[in-house]
Amino acid sequence: DAGVIQSPRHEVTEMGQEVTLRCKPISGHNSLFWYRQTMMRGLELLIYFNNNVPIDDSGMPEDRFSAKMPNASFSTLKIQPSEPRDSAVYFCASSLGGRGSPLHFGNGTRLTVT
Amino acid sequence: EDQVTQSPEALRLQEGESSSLNCSYTVSGLRGLFWYRQDPGKGPEFLFTLYSAGEEKEKERLKATLTKKESFLHITAPKPEDSATYLCAVQARGYSTLTFGKGTMLLVSP
Repeated sequence: DAGVIQSPRHEVTEMGQEVTLRCKPISGHNSLFWYRQTMMRGLELLIYFNNNVPIDDSGMPEDRFSAKMPNASFSTLKIQPSEPRDSAVYFCASSLGGRGSPLHFGNGTRLTVT
Repeated sequence: EDQVTQSPEALRLQEGESSSLNCSYTVSGLRGLFWYRQDPGKGPEFLFTLYSAGEEKEKERLKATLTKKESFLHITAPKPEDSATYLCAVQARGYSTLTFGKGTMLLVSP
């Protein structure tokens, strides 16, 4: 089992540019989550998919953020246009869903917007 | 709104010096309480799930306990390789998502 795979590991971009983060969940997991981690706010849920359908996007900061899951093995998080305050580590996680199912995290994408 | 508060923010121990990390929570119906370990530059790694007050789980030098308002992660005779940030999270009834605390950064010196 390769675990959750995220790319790129690091992304440096200029304010106003579009950024796309990618995630491959663990095969067989039907739930996928995007979290953002900062020193100030810790880990915050951005969006949650179940069976490729967005269930809870209440954590998405604003319309500049969008997420898709076109199939069970791939998801993207897009920021357009990016701003310096978007700088953070973005994690993707997947789980089998249901009570007590742990989330399995990727190693994250460190985004720096200058 | 679900809330998770962890203390202390940082803890420095000598190798072999046992201690406990605290996780206080408020949640609208607890479905599960989770402990994770996070190493620098890595994603959180799952340790335990606790479901009800009085439950305990152990893994090597770590033992997690749960009451109706808080959870403790006890570290017995820690080693330098136990140095990491430990995260606590709650899952509310009817939901699959987790709400995380900000973590306790543990440093164990040889």
